[in-house]
Amino acid sequence: QVQLQESGPGQVKPSQTLSLTCTVSGDSISSGFYYWTWIRQRPGKGLEWIGYTFQSGTTGYNPSLKSRVTISQDTSKNQFYLKLTSVTSADTAVYFCAREVLQFFDFWGQGALVTVSS
Amino acid sequence: SSELTQDPAVSVALGQTVRITCRGDSLKNYHASWYQQRPGQAPVLVIYGEDSRPSGIPDRFSGSRSGNTASLTITGAQAEDEADYHCSSRDNSGIGVVFGGGTKLTVL
Repeated sequence: QVQLQESGPGQVKPSQTLSLTCTVSGDSISSGFYYWTWIRQRPGKGLEWIGYTFQSGTTGYNPSLKSRVTISQDTSKNQFYLKLTSVTSADTAVYFCAREVLQFFDFWGQGALVTVSS
Repeated sequence: SSELTQDPAVSVALGQTVRITCRGDSLKNYHASWYQQRPGQAPVLVIYGEDSRPSGIPDRFSGSRSGNTASLTITGAQAEDEADYHCSSRDNSGIGVVFGGGTKLTVL
């Protein structure tokens, strides 16, 4: 069974960088079949696709966040990462990592709440 | 960019049938998928490829599409189906993914 687990600080100060790690078990992120993705959900709101990393480190980002987002991977650790710079209170959200295949997300992490506050 | 529009809230009587809709231009070109999300939990895939169910999802869940509107139908709604439902599809760029705003389903 594929499992994903987010980890990282639960609080970030405004203007600083949000950093999260997704650890994958039960599958290899280097297998080349899947997009390893970050999605967030602001309080009381819908889901928002942030972006993905694919085989060999290819990435794709939501245009609305592209200037501030970096998604990377470490295949030796079977982990992928999210960095979001210059955060504001609008970036307070639950951040999910997920596996995408053929336009849908079949496995999700439990989510990590990140609060932007001084 | 693309947008998917969902009704914010829908209710259904226990045991009755409910349809949750999702509208957007991207649905003319790309399949919809649907996710169930209970409070405090991660979303769970219930429909993919427009009308396919993952293993373990009850057959009372079904999906369909007509033009730019995708629908999730629950036939014989149960109390445990009370949740938020989110639709998604590839966006018009063919690269990203777009989600609807979610529909809160109440089972009366």
